[in-house]
Formats: sequence, structure tokens, C-alpha cells
Amino acid sequence: DTAVSQTPKYLVTQMGNDKSIKCEQNLGHDTMYWYKQDSKKFLKIMFSYNNKELIINETVPNRFSPKSPDKAHLNLHINSLELGDSAVYFCASSQAHGGLSYEQYFGPGTRLTVT
Amino acid sequence: GQQVMQIPQYQHVQEGEDFTTYCNSSTTLSNIQWYKQRPGGHPVFLIQLVKSGEVKKQKRLTFQFGEAKKNSSLHITATQTTDVGTYFCAGVEYGNKLVFGAGTILRVKS
Repeated sequence: DTAVSQTPKYLVTQMGNDKSIKCEQNLGHDTMYWYKQDSKKFLKIMFSYNNKELIINETVPNRFSPKSPDKAHLNLHINSLELGDSAVYFCASSQAHGGLSYEQYFGPGTRLTVT
Repeated sequence: GQQVMQIPQYQHVQEGEDFTTYCNSSTTLSNIQWYKQRPGGHPVFLIQLVKSGEVKKQKRLTFQFGEAKKNSSLHITATQTTDVGTYFCAGVEYGNKLVFGAGTILRVKS
């Protein structure tokens, strides 16, 4: 009964390719997120969706495009991959955005390696 | 914008020693959360602190939220090898997003 799942777990690809990472949560949460964790473990939010609506869009290259077909899914598409995109990408979900009900549940992560 | 600073970056302790990580925000927070990430794993929620001066305990872990709601600490008593991992604080400004600290990597030598 995985709460937040991501696919694939590992992704190795060449520079210039386009790839997607999928995320699904079965917790009934309204809000989903994408985080990037670099080699130094720094965890930085990229995007947040609440009920399929984009609410947080940090300073991320427009090669990254999130898509939320419904509130249980948030996918991340990356165009023209670069070496610097290599990182672990975590999907997360929470019951609400802002306020106190903010505990986040993270997926297992997708380790992206761009060669 | 909001910044959350966390120290130390690394801590190596002997099994049985205590460990503390500190978190400071540039702004007043509505609440602060703590997460643990085991090596190769994903962040897992530990606790949320909401009230000024709040102290919460989970077995050997003690969490504190400062009176001004701008700082927090996590203290582990008598560390065990199962405590290894990266501990993150994450602060929430009122009505705003969660901002993670850089994390403290804990290594425990047995």
C-alpha cells in the first residue's frame, strides 16, 4: 500500500533527451510537490499543485514542465536534459497548502543521471 | 525571501553520545517540521511544532521550538546506529510554502 509512488526509480539518459517522471499518491491529498535534491543533499522545492492548480513555481528552467491530470497525479517532464539536471527528484503530497496541516509524505525518489 | 539555516552540516558521534542539530529562520514561522532521511531513502516526517516554546519528545528525541518561533532544535540522547541519516528542519511562514534547511548528516560510530 504505497502512499506516494514514483516511476522510474532510476533514470539514466543522455544530454539533450526529453524524459518524464510520474508520481501518484493514494492518500487523498489535495496538494502535490516536486523537489530536487542535489548531491549535497539540499532539498529544494520546484513546483506545487493544489487540486490540479499550480500554486508554487520556483525559479526553475522552463525545460521543466509539471502536469497534473488529476489531484492524485503529478508528473514532471524535462526537455533537453543537461548535466546539471542530475539529481534525485522527490514527489511529495500533503493534505493542504499553508496553514498547519502541512505534513508532507515523500515518494521514494527518482535518481536521474544525465551523461 | 525566507531562509532556514541549519547547523552543523555534519556530525560524527560515538554510539551512546548525544547529538543536537539547530535550525534558525530569518523570519517568524507559523510552524516548523522535522524530517529524517536514511541513506538512500526519502525524507520521512518526524514531528511538527506549532506553539511558541513548545517541547515535544519521541523516545530519545527531543524537539524544541523557540519562544520567538524563529529557531528550533532536535536533540537525540544516547545515539544508536539506527539514528544515522540526514535530519532536516523545514519552516513554514504563515500561509506560505515549506522551506527546508540544508540538513545535518549524522554518522554514528559503533
